[in-house]
Amino acid sequence: DQQVKQNSPSLSVQEGRISILNCDYTNSMFDYFLWYKKYPAEGPTFLISISSIKDKNEDGRFTVFLNKSAKHLSLHIVPSQPGDSAVYFCAASGTGTASKLTFGTGTRLQVTL
Amino acid sequence: KAGVTQTPRYLIKTRGQQVTLSCSPISGHRSVSWYQQTPGQGLQFLFEYFSETQRNKGNFPGRFSGRQFSNSRSEMNVSTLELGDSALYLCASSPGPSGGQLETQYFGPGTRLLVL
Repeated sequence: DQQVKQNSPSLSVQEGRISILNCDYTNSMFDYFLWYKKYPAEGPTFLISISSIKDKNEDGRFTVFLNKSAKHLSLHIVPSQPGDSAVYFCAASGTGTASKLTFGTGTRLQVTL
Repeated sequence: KAGVTQTPRYLIKTRGQQVTLSCSPISGHRSVSWYQQTPGQGLQFLFEYFSETQRNKGNFPGRFSGRQFSNSRSEMNVSTLELGDSALYLCASSPGPSGGQLETQYFGPGTRLLVL
């Protein structure tokens, strides 16, 4: 049972436009959410996180939004750049699970010129 | 600081064999977690070690095991390999085991295992 879902396996966006990556979760015990970026032949790297006590967190071009009632989070990248082309994973952690992360299946973002 | 290193990077085995993968965490990091990445399932948590003790375990069969040494290096072992074990195995290290430090969990490049 996939507790964290990324329903769009791929997304193509033009350079300079906004990229919106979505993630849904089912486990109401999750209280911390992270986004990771992964290039081929490399491990995932941490991008941005959000605690369940917030509904928005910004870091430069990256903003994560959390809608707890809908169990939905999204990552906005504005403006998108070609170097943003990668696979993006959302991940969740819950109380009592310490550093165990539950990941989604990933969304491949391609930023075109 | 050197990053997380994993050896070997690539491995080919046949069904029924066993395999041992190694992970060296970032210097000073004492927690190591292992994940399996497959195309359809994304990254799935295998287990986490801290101070040579397993703290968390995912939903994998007993064929998957691990250990951590006093220098924080970790190994995972898969016995009686099956075709479905073909995957990218990632390890991640962090300074400590507690939540709230998830941002400081750094991943290695992974070991790609192919089971024939």
